[in-house]
Amino acid sequence: GAVVSQHPSWVICKSGTSVKIECRSLDFQATTMFWYRQFPKQSLMLMATSNEGSKATYEQGVEKDKFLINHASLTLSTLTVTSAHPEDSSFYICSARTSGGHGYTFGSGTRLTVV
Amino acid sequence: DAKTTQPPSMDCAEGRAANLPCNHSTISGNEYVYWYRQIHSQGPQYIIHGLKNNETNEMASLIITEDRKSSTLILPHATLRDTAVYYCIVRVPIQGAQKLVFGQGTRLTINP
Repeated sequence: GAVVSQHPSWVICKSGTSVKIECRSLDFQATTMFWYRQFPKQSLMLMATSNEGSKATYEQGVEKDKFLINHASLTLSTLTVTSAHPEDSSFYICSARTSGGHGYTFGSGTRLTVV
Repeated sequence: DAKTTQPPSMDCAEGRAANLPCNHSTISGNEYVYWYRQIHSQGPQYIIHGLKNNETNEMASLIITEDRKSSTLILPHATLRDTAVYYCIVRVPIQGAQKLVFGQGTRLTINP
């Protein structure tokens, strides 16, 4: 079945630095990927939709200059959290849209801690 | 905006059937109902989805009412490993993209 690999699984960074999270579709091509954020004891919040070769579409209230999304190939999308602050600490999850089957496969998530 | 309503929590005894309800009274005719679950600190796992007809796979059954305003996910023989948060999602086309927008889900606890 479709597999989405997300890396790293966890990361700790200092305030003010940038962190890049990768999301790869291993055995299929994903023209569309989604990025979510999840705070403790809360549901997943959709941040943006990423389409291969074009600019990402951000949800209302998500700062596009802070959360940079690049989807340069059909198997890789990256999320860069720029100038990270402690309030950016969260669980970030990507999802890739597949052409067949149930259509959506999620990565295992990245836990970001900003200190 | 989530279009579903689920009870925040439920309990079920191990070995029994777990029936998780979901209301989606504003669903449109071409919108699918998806079910995912999330075990602590992991990515969501697909369970099942459907449009109008009832569906069954190796994990669960999905019963959709005739008017499509509600559905029930059935785990036929719940085990301790089924303890998770279960999300009922109506997939909606928003600005051309078919997004999955998560609601608050139901925290299902399977008791020994």
